[in-house]
Amino acid sequence: AQTVTQSQPEMSVQEAETVTLSCTYDTSESNYYLFWYKQPPSRQMILVIRQEAYKQQNATENRFSVNFQKAAKSFSLKISDSQLGDTAMYFCAFMKHAYSGGGADGLTFGKGTHLIIQP
Amino acid sequence: DTAVSQTPKYLVTQMGNDKSIKCEQNLGHDTMYWYKQDSKKFLKIMFSYNNKELIINETVPNRFSPKSPDKAHLNLHINSLELGDSAVYFCASSQEGSSYNSPLHFGNGTRLTVT
Repeated sequence: AQTVTQSQPEMSVQEAETVTLSCTYDTSESNYYLFWYKQPPSRQMILVIRQEAYKQQNATENRFSVNFQKAAKSFSLKISDSQLGDTAMYFCAFMKHAYSGGGADGLTFGKGTHLIIQP
Repeated sequence: DTAVSQTPKYLVTQMGNDKSIKCEQNLGHDTMYWYKQDSKKFLKIMFSYNNKELIINETVPNRFSPKSPDKAHLNLHINSLELGDSAVYFCASSQEGSSYNSPLHFGNGTRLTVT
């Protein structure tokens, strides 16, 4: 079974600063996907960024980027130029690849990091 | 166009009642899920359905039963509600190919309060 650990229950930064949220995971799978989801107070689950384990290049989406270290099983999220609208719970999640039955197993989530952007 | 919609958004009921939460997706996905988010915000999978077949069923009480009339719908029926069932329930869907998984798309959640 997979486990996902987010060691920072809460973080607070000033607007426009850069913040990094940490995530580590444990798996015996060699191919898988990693995700960061954002959950604002509206409780929507919004996909922020996705990384495929076989890709060495770190994924980026505008102000959001990841630092994926496969050997260390680490998948941190960096938010640049943070904005008030980034205030939310952030969940790191793991999914096995399709050929391992990943779709059926769905996502395994970490416990989340509550990120607060201060004006 | 709402991709994954679930109703109701809020549900308040008394212990012992039976209730259902409906979920529909218009993405053409072949797998649907139910997740439970507890008061500490932890998300845990309850069920997944692929082509109307139950794939996994985590350690969920049998008072919870998923029902899928077709590929686009996965409803959650809960019998004999208990106080501990109070949580936010999320429906989600994804598409699984031979060599890929699409990310999960989530509904907006149903906040269930049992009094």
